[in-house]
Amino acid sequence: AQSVAQPEDQVNVAEGNPLTVKCTYSVSGNPYLFWYVQYPNRGLQFLLKYITGDNLVKGSYGFEAEFNKSQTSFHLKKPSALVSDSALYFCAVRDAYSGAGSYQLTFGKGTKLSVIP
Amino acid sequence: DAGVIQSPRHEVTEMGQEVTLRCKPISGHNSLFWYRQTMMRGLELLIYFNNNVPIDDSGMPEDRFSAKMPNASFSTLKIQPSEPRDSAVYFCASSLYFGTSSYEQYFGPGTRLTVT
Repeated sequence: AQSVAQPEDQVNVAEGNPLTVKCTYSVSGNPYLFWYVQYPNRGLQFLLKYITGDNLVKGSYGFEAEFNKSQTSFHLKKPSALVSDSALYFCAVRDAYSGAGSYQLTFGKGTKLSVIP
Repeated sequence: DAGVIQSPRHEVTEMGQEVTLRCKPISGHNSLFWYRQTMMRGLELLIYFNNNVPIDDSGMPEDRFSAKMPNASFSTLKIQPSEPRDSAVYFCASSLYFGTSSYEQYFGPGTRLTVT
């Protein structure tokens, strides 16, 4: 079974400050990890993914995420937050060994990020 | 690329009516997913297809819901009869899978369904 947890329902950060949105996961094998962003009244947009290789993954809009296998975490980060980053952020996971015919991602409940001017 | 296309964007219907939601995946993608999003339950996977074949429909809430994918470029999600508790935003997403490779899903803009 695969699962993902986003421990914070909401994160508030001042514009210009660094931001972190937390994600932890649980899989039987190796994880494929994803971050998505959802703006109001829009679909989810892909930000970045970790499949293998470098633990620090860079994505769209200046976001990056760090894969930490020992802590089973994949936190989303940005060095300097913008007001326009305010949105709902979802972490998702898939077990790389979930077997043929099993393609679904498991999404977290989402974290609402508010960047305060 | 046009991205995932969903129609209609908004649907308001009365309880008991049939509702059909439509999705056109990204050309070349071989997997398609239907999700439902509500404030109470968050994002729920309803059903997904690979190469037009339904793989897992365990998320479909009940027999009132059905989904089809007659070809690689079109899928429908039907609710018959609709009930007020079906009110939600329904998303379609597509992706490309082969072997054990895993690629990101691309979401459509969603259909906001209101059942009165």
